[in-house]
Amino acid sequence: AQSVTQLGSHVSVSEGALVLLRCNYSSSVPPYLFWYVQYPNQGLQLLLKYTSAATLVKGINGFEAEFKKSETSFHLTKPSAHMSDAAEYFCAVSETGGYQKVTFGIGTKLQVIP
Amino acid sequence: DAGVTQSPTHLIKTRGQQVTLRCSPISGHKSVSWYQQVLGQGPQFIFQYYEKEERGRGNFPDRFSARQFPNYSSELNVNALLLGDSALYLCASSTRDRSSTDTQYFGPGTRLTVL
Repeated sequence: AQSVTQLGSHVSVSEGALVLLRCNYSSSVPPYLFWYVQYPNQGLQLLLKYTSAATLVKGINGFEAEFKKSETSFHLTKPSAHMSDAAEYFCAVSETGGYQKVTFGIGTKLQVIP
Repeated sequence: DAGVTQSPTHLIKTRGQQVTLRCSPISGHKSVSWYQQVLGQGPQFIFQYYEKEERGRGNFPDRFSARQFPNYSSELNVNALLLGDSALYLCASSTRDRSSTDTQYFGPGTRLTVL
C-alpha cells in the first residue's frame, strides 16, 4: 500500500530564509509524487509533480523538489521564503490500480516570520 | 477557463440528516474524484467516477454515495449524518481515470458542519 509521511506538522522560517518541507513515501511500485499547497479556506493547488522524467522537479512560485529513490524522499524546497508562502503544504503519492488513487500526507503548515 | 466549481460553499446540518454536494469539473475533464478533509488532516479519497461509472472507492461506509451525470458533473450524497462527517469536502477533476501522472485539479470545497 502506498503512503506518505510528512515530517513536521508546523514549520517556521524567517522571510528570505530557505524553506525545506520533508516528505518520505512508501510505494510498492514506482511512485508518482505531488506537492500541493492549500491557502486558508481554499482548495488545493498543484505546486509540482514527479513523473519519472527528471529527479529534480521545478514548480510554480519558485518551489522545487528532488526525488531520491535511495532515501524514498521527495522534499520540497524554496531558496528564499516570502510572506505569501504561508500556507499548508501536502505531499501526495499516486499509483494506478484500476483507478487513480491519490494518498495525501497530513500536511505541513508553513509560517513565515517577517 | 473556469476551474472546478463546487456548491454550496458552506452547509450546516444536524445529525441523522442527509446532504447532497455538487461538483462541476473543468470543461473536457471526464474524471471526478471526491475527498474528505477533516480539520488538521490531509484529504482522504472517497470516490472516483469516470464516464459516469464508479472506478474506485475509498474506505468509507455505505452512507456515502455518489453519481456522475452525462455532462460529467457529480453529486456526493451522505445519509444519516454523524458528527464525524463534519469536514471540508473536495472535488477534483482530471482528464483520465487510470493515469497516475494526471494532475487532479481541485475545487474550493464545501465546508459541512454537522451539529
